[in-house]
Amino acid sequence: DTAVSQTPKYLVTQMGNDKSIKCEQNLGHDTMYWYKQDSKKFLKIMFSYNNKELIINETVPNRFSPKSPDKAHLNLHINSLELGDSAVYFCASSQEYRAGGIGELFFGEGSRLTVL
Amino acid sequence: SQQGEEDPQALSIQEGENATMNCSYKTSINNLQWYRQNSGRGLVHLILIRSNEREKHSGRLRVTLDTSKKSSSLLITASRAADTASYFCATAISGNTPLVFGKGTRLSVIA
Repeated sequence: DTAVSQTPKYLVTQMGNDKSIKCEQNLGHDTMYWYKQDSKKFLKIMFSYNNKELIINETVPNRFSPKSPDKAHLNLHINSLELGDSAVYFCASSQEYRAGGIGELFFGEGSRLTVL
Repeated sequence: SQQGEEDPQALSIQEGENATMNCSYKTSINNLQWYRQNSGRGLVHLILIRSNEREKHSGRLRVTLDTSKKSSSLLITASRAADTASYFCATAISGNTPLVFGKGTRLSVIA
């Protein structure tokens, strides 16, 4: 079984459309994340979410909204897509914070979004 | 904001040689982690070193951490073609602040 799975793997859409990317983890982790990787491979945190708190990165436009129906799922909805949203979006999960900082992250395989 | 900076940006070596990648960061950390990303795939965790540790080994991997210099290095010994990938360092700061990743080092191991 895949630990962190996200769908779709590829998504091609027109500017102005609304799209969603789904993520599921079967590791029993309490914390899930969305990262964006640009064309230069730079990986940037967008959101982290656990049972208790949604942490929003202030640099993320409000067109991006995470939704978590339960602790095993964290979906990413994007409104009014723009050309600059083209990137690979990675979902990840980790165990809840322990003393010593965030531990190992488990990543999905990524969802490549292309906005035309 | 970006925390880690890997150096070099790209590295090309022959199979069997050792590969060393460096990471520098800006603020105090709780731990530092290294990840590998094969082309078109997700990131895979390699090793975690805590702020009170100086060196850690895992198979052919050796990681060092110098908190006074705010730097870490990843050494891959006896490299193989399968080690070809991008390698990222990531820092855990305080509390449950998400990991912050560097820009990565692209390693090419030529058979």
